[in-house]
This record gives sequence, C-alpha cells and structure tokens, in this order.
Amino acid sequence: AQKVTQAQTEISVVEKEDVTLDCVYETRDTTYYLFWYKQPPSGELVFLIRRNSFDEQNEISGRYSWNFQKSTSSFNFTITASQVVDSAVYFCALKEGNNRKLIWGLGTSLAVNP
Amino acid sequence: KAGVTQTPRYLIKTRGQQVTLSCSPISGHRSVSWYQQTPGQGLQFLFEYFSETQRNKGNFPGRFSGRQFSNSRSEMNVSTLELGDSALYLCASSLEESTDTQYFGPGTRLTVL
Repeated sequence: AQKVTQAQTEISVVEKEDVTLDCVYETRDTTYYLFWYKQPPSGELVFLIRRNSFDEQNEISGRYSWNFQKSTSSFNFTITASQVVDSAVYFCALKEGNNRKLIWGLGTSLAVNP
Repeated sequence: KAGVTQTPRYLIKTRGQQVTLSCSPISGHRSVSWYQQTPGQGLQFLFEYFSETQRNKGNFPGRFSGRQFSNSRSEMNVSTLELGDSALYLCASSLEESTDTQYFGPGTRLTVL
C-alpha cells in the first residue's frame, strides 16, 4: 500500500537556524514520483520540487535542499538559514507509476520566529 | 502565464443545501484534479478529469460529483451538504500525462452550518 509519513507535526525554530523536514514513503512500485509542496497561511499549495524514483541525485535550490534516499525510503527537505517567510505547512506527496492521484503526508507545520 | 483560479474563495452554506465550485486550469493544461483538505483527514483525492472524462475517483460518497468542460474548466458539486463537508477544496491542474506535476489553485473554503 502507498503511504507517506511526516512524523514531525510541528517544528518551531528561530530565524537563521537550519531545519530539516522528514518524509518517509511506502510504495511497491519501482517507478514513482515524490513531491514537496508548501502551504502558507493563504492556503494555496505551492509546488517546490519533484523527484523521480530513478533519480537519486540530491538537489539544492537556494536555501532549500532535498535528500532522496531509496535505501531508507526517505525524501527529506532542509531549509538553510530559515527566514520568517518560510513559516508554512510543508507537505510531502507520492505518486505511483501511472496512478494519477497524489498520496499526501499529513504535513509539518513550520514556525520560524524572529 | 496565469495560475489556477478557483471561485468562489469562500462559501457558507447550511446543511442540506448543494454547492458548486469552479476551477479554471492553467492555460494549456488539460487535466484537473480536486482534493479536499480538512484538519482531521488532511488532503484527500476526490477525482480527476481529462478531456471531459473522469479518469480517477477517490473514496467519497456519490454526493460529490464533478465535470469538465471542453475548455478544460472544471466544476465540482456537492449535494445534500453535511457538517463534515466543511473543508478547503483545492483544484490542481497538470499538462496531460499522469506523471506531470500538479499546480494548485488558492482553494475554496466551504463552511457548512
């Protein structure tokens, strides 16, 4: 069965701290896609990154970086030097093969305090 | 390019009423998916439409229905509203293939009294 677990419900950090959001997934498919979305208080889900199961290369985009490890079924997200604007709920999601629906984790609420 | 738009943004209804929500996808996107988000259940998939056809459906009762028009715009309808239908309803659009990334609209917040 497909499942996404985000064990951290809430995280609170002080500005400029680094923070890592964990995501563990379960799937039987060999072809799948992983996503991270950000949901600020306004409610709109903002796409951050997508990773294919056959590409384990880590990615860095500015202060954001992602660590994809198939051996541990994890796709963790790190924010370096966090800022108040990073405060949001972050969701990890999984899409299997040709399945058209996203399976979501319950999200991690990140509060970055000044 | 304009993003996904959803109307209305906020809606208040009473139990037993019905409601229709609208979604306009990103220009050129042909697939539209709908999700329900509640504090208790998180994000749950409702259904997905492509070329006016429903391609996939989540585990929701028949009171939840949708459709897609020839211009890819989509509507979802909830009949006989229940208190538990109060939620944020999110629409997402993607190009075409099942592997394409979904881009979301701002959502419609429905409150059922």
